[in-house]
Parts: sequence; structure tokens; C-alpha cells
Amino acid sequence: SQQGEEDPQALSIQEGENATMNCSYKTSINNLQWYRQNSGRGLVHLILIRSNEREKHSGRLRVTLDTSKKSSSLLITASRAADTASYFCATAMNTGFQKLVFGTGTRLLVSP
Amino acid sequence: DAGITQSPRYKITETGRQVTLMCHQTWSHSYMFWYRQDLGHGLRLIYYSAAADITDKGEVPDGYVVSRSKTENFPLTLESATRSQTSVYFCASSEGSIRSGGYTFGSGTRLTVV
Repeated sequence: SQQGEEDPQALSIQEGENATMNCSYKTSINNLQWYRQNSGRGLVHLILIRSNEREKHSGRLRVTLDTSKKSSSLLITASRAADTASYFCATAMNTGFQKLVFGTGTRLLVSP
Repeated sequence: DAGITQSPRYKITETGRQVTLMCHQTWSHSYMFWYRQDLGHGLRLIYYSAAADITDKGEVPDGYVVSRSKTENFPLTLESATRSQTSVYFCASSEGSIRSGGYTFGSGTRLTVV
């Protein structure tokens, strides 16, 4: 079963607008990661935030993590058409083998 | 080219046939993974490997077999393909602990079982 659930399932915005995607998870984590998947391609790692971090930035990406609510958000500022993709959160547990558990993703469409 | 390569890119096979999906990485990453991606399910882990000759089951291993005789290769075999195994299969690798870094994914193999 999925550890992470993204919300919304789909998001449609105009270029220049900000896009926010949310991820909720169920159990204690070591870190949470976000990936992007362009249509027909593999996933690309975007950013990793550890359980003791609250916010992290990378270029136009801003990720927050609230461990008390077991939730994370990915903000893409000043979206571009090239940001059109599916975005997945993935969680790494504190115990057990080091494998990621992925959510079902958010499909983002950025229109020119 | 360096990286992680999956082959074939597309495959159509008949029910009951054995089919092997190949995965090759050039970084000598210790960890390798096979996921399947289906609409509505996201990515689900089939098998993973911590090193050569060390493999273990993931979330959905039934009907699949893996081997890892060499660090760089991690083939996935469907012993007797079924229609429910129609999916997009992704191989991924990780240099070290997932607690410090992310995965690198291949481009995927789209498998259709007819």
C-alpha cells in the first residue's frame, strides 16, 4: 500500500503562476523526497528533506515538511510550460531496508 | 553513455511466455530496484538488491524473478507472463543509503501482455 498520498491528483495552471502539491504519509520517516516524471520517461530526483528539517529550497522549488501532521508540500514558483509533468513524493523509513515508498502522484499541466 | 539503461524500451509478449527485462548501470551503485507503474497505483516495488547476489522481495513480487550476479546488471524475469503484468517497469539504482540521497531511474520498459 502507498505510504504517500498526493493532493491534488491533477492541477492545471497558467505560466507564471505558482503550483503547490501536497503529500501525506502514514508512518515515521527518515526523509521525504520529491520526484518529477515527464510523460513517457523515468523519474528524476528533485529534492530530499530530512525529518529534522522544516523547509528546503532548490531553485524555484520549495519543500516543507510537517512531521507532526505527517505531511509535506512542494511549491514550484513562477511555473513554466516545461514544468508540465507528474510529481511524486516518496518516503524513506527510519527502520528496515532502505527502499523508497512512492505515492500516486500529482499531474501538473502548465499552459502557456 | 554512463547511466542506467533499460532494454527493451517496448515489448509485446503473449500470455504464458517468459520474458526478461534488462537493467544495466555504469556507476557500480550498490543498490538496485525494480518498480512497476500502473495507473492509480503509482510505483510499486517488485524486488530490490543491496549488492551482487543479495536480493529480496518488495511489495508485489509474485510472478517475477530477479538475479544479480554482477553489480551492474539486475535483470527482471516474468516466468509466465499474465495480462495483469502489463505495465511500465522502471529500474533504479542508488549509490548508498537512501537516508542520504535519492534514486536514479532508467527510462522504463513498457510491457504489454496479450
